[in-house]
Amino acid sequence: GESVGLHLPTLSVQEGDNSIINCAYSNSASDYFIWYKQESGKGPQFIIDIRSNMDKRQGQRVTVLLNKTVKHLSLQIAATQPGDSAVYFCAENTGNQFYFGTGTSLTVIP
Amino acid sequence: EAGVTQSPTHLIKTRGQQATLRCSPISGHTSVYWYQQALGLGLQFLLWYDEGEERNRGNFPPRFSGRQFPNYSSELNVNALELEDSALYLCASRLYYREQFFGPGTRLTVL
Repeated sequence: GESVGLHLPTLSVQEGDNSIINCAYSNSASDYFIWYKQESGKGPQFIIDIRSNMDKRQGQRVTVLLNKTVKHLSLQIAATQPGDSAVYFCAENTGNQFYFGTGTSLTVIP
Repeated sequence: EAGVTQSPTHLIKTRGQQATLRCSPISGHTSVYWYQQALGLGLQFLLWYDEGEERNRGNFPPRFSGRQFPNYSSELNVNALELEDSALYLCASRLYYREQFFGPGTRLTVL
């Protein structure tokens, strides 16, 4: 079956710095990828997505990079703010199935 | 536009009892997914409903079941509850080949 893994379970960054969260996926047939943010006690919130025909996609303060050669996905958060503290999941989509990693816990130090 | 809603927020049951969790998708979304999120673990896929039919299920025993109603809302039933069923149960809805939107979850505690 598919596996979606995150390289670092925890990440601490200084407020104002950039954050990079990484994710590895295993199914080369996956064609759609999503990053979610989950704050304590809440459901995951959609951040940004990317389809496999793209290498990069930018949103507001966030950028997702997709490297299909090594099956790697990353989320970059610019000028990290205290409100960015949360657990971040990547998800890969194959057909109608989604697979999630365990998440990376991001802590922003004021 | 209202997001995905789930009820109840919290549910406390004892081992052997049955639990029913409910989900209302975003208006117009026909697909509903159920996930279990145990402490420290990622989201584990439970069930997928679309247009009133169960389309796929994850690697969970048959005591996890559900249904989708004509208005696309959904219900998850867990029979013969076990202690390890304690988790956050998340529902997500989706429209065609787009992203999933999650509800706030139901926290199920089995004593």
